[in-house]
Amino acid sequence: GENVEQHPSTLSVQEGDSAVIKCTYSDSASNYFPWYKQELGKRPQLIIDIRSNVGEKKDQRIAVTLNKTAKHFSLHITETQPEDSAVYFCAASKNTGNQFYFGTGTSLTVIP
Amino acid sequence: DTEVTQTPKHLVMGMTNKKSLKCEQHMGHRAMYWYKQKAKKPPELMFVYSYEKLSINESVPSRFSPECPNSSLLNLHLHALQPEDSALYLCASSQDSLRWETQYFGPGTRLLVL
Repeated sequence: GENVEQHPSTLSVQEGDSAVIKCTYSDSASNYFPWYKQELGKRPQLIIDIRSNVGEKKDQRIAVTLNKTAKHFSLHITETQPEDSAVYFCAASKNTGNQFYFGTGTSLTVIP
Repeated sequence: DTEVTQTPKHLVMGMTNKKSLKCEQHMGHRAMYWYKQKAKKPPELMFVYSYEKLSINESVPSRFSPECPNSSLLNLHLHALQPEDSALYLCASSQDSLRWETQYFGPGTRLLVL
């Protein structure tokens, strides 16, 4: 099966700085990589995703990069704001079954 | 409607009770999922329904019984639960489960088993 590792488990940054969260996966057949943000007591919400035929995707302050050869993908948040504080989960999925394998999560705190 | 809804929001039950969790979506999605999430942990997949048929059961104890009455509804029947089953139960849906698709989560039911 797939094994997704996520680092760091906690991250504190000053408001305005950038934050980077990294995930690695084990199964080369994985080809869809979503990122979810979960605020305390709320549902996980998709913030960005990337498919294996793309190396990078950007949406305003959020970007995701994928290195298929090294089997790792990263979330980049620029100009962080206090409302970015949450737990972020990466996940990996294959082309069949759509079963998500989640990373262990990163608790991001943005200090005003 | 672009939301997944779940009821109830909170549930407290004893170990001998029978209760049900309900999930609903009106996005025309044909795949629906149940997850269990403990505090500060990622969601753990329990069941997947694809086109109203159970396609994945992640070795979940029989005290959890899923049901998919139609393409918009997903239930989780609970019976004889244990205190360690206390968790946030999340429902999700996606266009289908036959290929990579974004999963949209409901707000969850926070369950406490006494």
